[in-house]
Amino acid sequence: ETGVTQTPRHLVMGMTNKKSLKCEQHLGHNAMYWYKQSAKKPLELMFVYNFKEQTENNSVPSRFSPECPNSSHLFLHLHTLQPEDSALYLCASSQDWTSGGSFTDTQYFGPGTRLTVL
Amino acid sequence: AQTVTQSQPEMSVQEAETVTLSCTYDTSESDYYLFWYKQPPSRQMILVIRQEAYKQQNATENRFSVNFQKAAKSFSLKISDSQLGDAAMYFCAAPSGSARQLTFGSGTQLTVLP
Repeated sequence: ETGVTQTPRHLVMGMTNKKSLKCEQHLGHNAMYWYKQSAKKPLELMFVYNFKEQTENNSVPSRFSPECPNSSHLFLHLHTLQPEDSALYLCASSQDWTSGGSFTDTQYFGPGTRLTVL
Repeated sequence: AQTVTQSQPEMSVQEAETVTLSCTYDTSESDYYLFWYKQPPSRQMILVIRQEAYKQQNATENRFSVNFQKAAKSFSLKISDSQLGDAAMYFCAAPSGSARQLTFGSGTQLTVLP
């Protein structure tokens, strides 16, 4: 397994369900990201983790709850979502920011999870 | 506000021809990278090319090259000898703010005509 993987690839859920998205990176990186990509809109950064610590939360509603148990895994827990949350959710990773990695190092993306909220 | 602008929502090119996609950005950082990603129908975001802002030489990766104008904050992507597999949405990305975030442009949908 190489690169960045995401599961599931497709998810359909009702507004009262609770589900989780999983991201795993095999690149030895220490920074991980969640993005939301809606139709007709640019990628929106949701959360950033560096060495398992959350460093950014871009005003994301609390119905999205991230978790980063280690540098290789990132989860996005979902509960009581709204239909407008339907989108492609992309995970990315990059080199950490303290080991000489340059500012905004290259981010490598997973294939995404296509989420549909009914 | 940090912004990245791609002024061409759609572009088309004949197979084997050359096409240039435009991008302008606005950052207060002095040392940074700029990126072009492509997103084919599979929706996988794939890095195409990266430019280091402190390097005057334009980056090149096989058929892909950039025209980087730092003073003008312009970062265009040139695709030479276009192939059918180049058809995708292309996103330009630049750093935003002090939080090591990337801001992505709205994308340019490239169609390659046989």
